[in-house]
Amino acid sequence: DQQVKQNSPSLSVQEGRISILNCDYTNSMFDYFLWYKKYPAEGPTFLISISSIKDKNEDGRFTVFLNKSAKHLSLHIVPSQPGDSAVYFCAASARWIGETSGSRLTFGEGTQLTVNP
Amino acid sequence: ETGVTQTPRHLVMGMTNKKSLKCEQHLGHNAMYWYKQSAKKPLELMFVYNFKEQTENNSVPSRFSPECPNSSHLFLHLHTLQPEDSALYLCASSQEIDAGSYEQYFGPGTRLTVT
Repeated sequence: DQQVKQNSPSLSVQEGRISILNCDYTNSMFDYFLWYKKYPAEGPTFLISISSIKDKNEDGRFTVFLNKSAKHLSLHIVPSQPGDSAVYFCAASARWIGETSGSRLTFGEGTQLTVNP
Repeated sequence: ETGVTQTPRHLVMGMTNKKSLKCEQHLGHNAMYWYKQSAKKPLELMFVYNFKEQTENNSVPSRFSPECPNSSHLFLHLHTLQPEDSALYLCASSQEIDAGSYEQYFGPGTRLTVT
């Protein structure tokens, strides 16, 4: 049961244009969402996150939008740069309740973004 | 060293071998994780350690054995693996607080090949 889905395995955009990466989730208990970027031969790097109490979070060229009713989030990169070419993972978390806790992230399959000069 | 480091970066082992993967975090975090990433599949959480105690074993076969001697170090001991265990193994850490901190920071991974 894939609770976090990124339906586009790849996306290609021109330098300077907007990149929009999409992610859908099914678990209504998720209350925190993250985007990670991964270059080949490196681990994922945290990019930006959003809490379920917000519908938008912006950090420089990166903006994440959350539509809770649609269980959908998206990452906008504008303007896109060739260095943004990487695999982007969407992840979601539902806070644990108990004496011990730890962040349990559920990841999507990833979208390969290619930004062409 | 900064961030999260993992050694070795690449490992080839036979099915009868015993080997260990090592992870060290230099971020002062109190939670550490092992993930497995197979080709064209999402990252799969294997183990979670919070305050050095294992809080989750995500139905991982016993041929994978984690060890967390302190909050900065995490090991994954491997024995009698199968070829389907070949994958990228990623370690991550995070700082857990009452309000919850969900950003996990990843190491570069160990590319494991089982022959």
